[in-house]
Amino acid sequence: AQTVTQSQPEMSVQEAETVTLSCTYDTSESNYYLFWYKQPPSRQMILVIRQEAYKQQNATENRFSVNFQKAAKSFSLKISDSQLGDTAMYFCAFRATLNTNAGKSTFGDGTTLTVKP
Amino acid sequence: NAGVTQTPKFQVLKTGQSMTLQCAQDMNHEYMSWYRQDPGMGLRLIHYSVGAGITDQGEVPNGYNVSRSTTEDFPLRLLSAAPSQTSVYFCASSSFSGGALGELFFGEGSRLTVL
Repeated sequence: AQTVTQSQPEMSVQEAETVTLSCTYDTSESNYYLFWYKQPPSRQMILVIRQEAYKQQNATENRFSVNFQKAAKSFSLKISDSQLGDTAMYFCAFRATLNTNAGKSTFGDGTTLTVKP
Repeated sequence: NAGVTQTPKFQVLKTGQSMTLQCAQDMNHEYMSWYRQDPGMGLRLIHYSVGAGITDQGEVPNGYNVSRSTTEDFPLRLLSAAPSQTSVYFCASSSFSGGALGELFFGEGSRLTVL
């Protein structure tokens, strides 16, 4: 079974600064998907960024980027130029392929990020 | 552009009562799933479906039942509610095309309290 670990339950950052959220996972599979989701106080889960394991290039989406280290099974999220609207809980998620484990997703316990003005 | 719609958003039950959480998606996604989120924890998979007529158990299936008679709908039934089922429930769907999985699209969540 896959596991996802987010070792930072809470983090804070000043507005406009950069913050990195950590995520490690455990799997024996070679192909899979990794995601970061954001959950603001509204409770809605929103996709931040995704990474396919077979791609060596790190994914980026505007101010969000990842550092994907496949051998180390590490998938950290960097938020640049932090904004007040980035305040939320962030979940790292592993998703198996359909062939290996029916596309099941495993989530970490989350990191609560507070952006301070 | 509704996406994934869950109802009800809030529900209070007494121990032993049954109820159904409704989930519908209008994106023609084959894959649908139900998660529960408890305080301080991530989402845990209850049941999932890879297409109409096909369902399977996730990590925490006990006390829950699902069916998938259409591509659009994936209701979650609580057979005899227990206080341990107090949680926030999320329905999520995704596409898969040529074996590639898309990201999960989530409903807004349903907060269930069992007294």
